[in-house]
Amino acid sequence: NAGVTQTPKFRVLKTGQSMTLLCAQDMNHEYMYWYRQDPGMGLRLIHYSVGEGTTAKGEVPDGYNVSRLKKQNFLLGLESAAPSQTSVYFCASVGPTGLAGGFRAYEQYFGPGTRLTVT
Amino acid sequence: GDSVTQMEGPVTLSEEAFLTINCTYTATGYPSLFWYVQYPGEGLQLLLKATKADDKGSNKGFEATYRKETTSFHLEKGSVQVSDSAVYFCALGLTGNQFYFGTGTSLTVIP
Repeated sequence: NAGVTQTPKFRVLKTGQSMTLLCAQDMNHEYMYWYRQDPGMGLRLIHYSVGEGTTAKGEVPDGYNVSRLKKQNFLLGLESAAPSQTSVYFCASVGPTGLAGGFRAYEQYFGPGTRLTVT
Repeated sequence: GDSVTQMEGPVTLSEEAFLTINCTYTATGYPSLFWYVQYPGEGLQLLLKATKADDKGSNKGFEATYRKETTSFHLEKGSVQVSDSAVYFCALGLTGNQFYFGTGTSLTVIP
């Protein structure tokens, strides 16, 4: 299993340009997440998906769009990049990891990240 | 609301020193607790986890015990190595499939 992969690993954009980040997982997970990581801010959730064809907003969704046309893929789009979107982007998928208090517990599996610079 | 509070860094230790990184949480329901590690230039990797009270997660010499009475999940290692230099994240997972992360603690181990 490749686990969670992200494409590309690095990208430099000019303000106003658009791009799409691809996340792929081969673990047949229903849930997938997109985070951004900035110095001193930890991880912040951008958007997430609870299954094929579904998406939902996270903590910082503005300026981003997502799509989950296939279960294994979760795409993050920037329509008009801004310098404030310079960050490292991580994708994660979620799978079961046993029981917690009689309920199913879950664990996140992360991709290697995409480092995006917007000039 | 549900949240994780993690000791702020950065932390600098000499090789073979004892490490503690504090993590406390607030949660409803039955949370699972995690420690993730991020080495420079890489993604987050699961270091250890615990899914119920009094469970001890352990891996690579690191340990953390799920303490419901103090709502804590402190990370410890008896003797750190230079190769342990990384950023460590405490995280909380809820049965509703929601996750909350601490802000991360940067550890540097010097020879």
